[in-house]
Amino acid sequence: GAVVSQHPSRVICKSGTSVKIECRSLDFQATTMFWYRQFPKKSLMLMATSNEGSKATYEQGVEKDKFLINHASLTLSTLTVTSAHPEDSSFYICSARQGDTQYFGPGTRLTVL
Amino acid sequence: GEDVEQSLFLSVREGDSSVINCTYTDSSSTYLYWYKQEPGAGLQLLTYIFSNMDMKQDQRLTVLLNKKDKHLSLRIADTQTGDSAIYFCAEGDDKIIFGKGTRLHILP
Repeated sequence: GAVVSQHPSRVICKSGTSVKIECRSLDFQATTMFWYRQFPKKSLMLMATSNEGSKATYEQGVEKDKFLINHASLTLSTLTVTSAHPEDSSFYICSARQGDTQYFGPGTRLTVL
Repeated sequence: GEDVEQSLFLSVREGDSSVINCTYTDSSSTYLYWYKQEPGAGLQLLTYIFSNMDMKQDQRLTVLLNKKDKHLSLRIADTQTGDSAIYFCAEGDDKIIFGKGTRLHILP
């Protein structure tokens, strides 16, 4: 089946720095990728929809200037957490859509000190 | 390893109840979830149940949890055309494990 990878799997950074997370579809092209953040009890919450070659669509309440999304190619979308703060510490998961099916990446654990 | 399984398709007549079933393997999860994916859209959390509950009702949605059998179900009462979507069962605390999704098709 289709494979989606994320890099890095874990990252620890200092408060105020920026962190970039990559999401790649390894064996298929994905015009649409999704970024999720995991919250306790609420589980995964959709942050934004990333469309290749155009601006991402952000969900209500998600700061687009803080969570920069770039979908520069059909196999790569990046999420950059800018000026990270401890409250940004979370598990970030991407998914890539092929037809009607979504394939999930393994996730990235971000810890901001 | 951890696994979540659900049937891939379900067809229901408009106005009837839909019941989507799911089985899981990790009995240590604190929460279990149901997500809805509409065509072309990302997953949206539909509802969740705490693992020490047997049932949760939210308007047309009823979630039943049989922890002994590791079985979770989602019942949608009075199914409407707008309920046509793919429904994902998920469990896990630190790492979320998803089922492959059940495509709900509404018959006129």
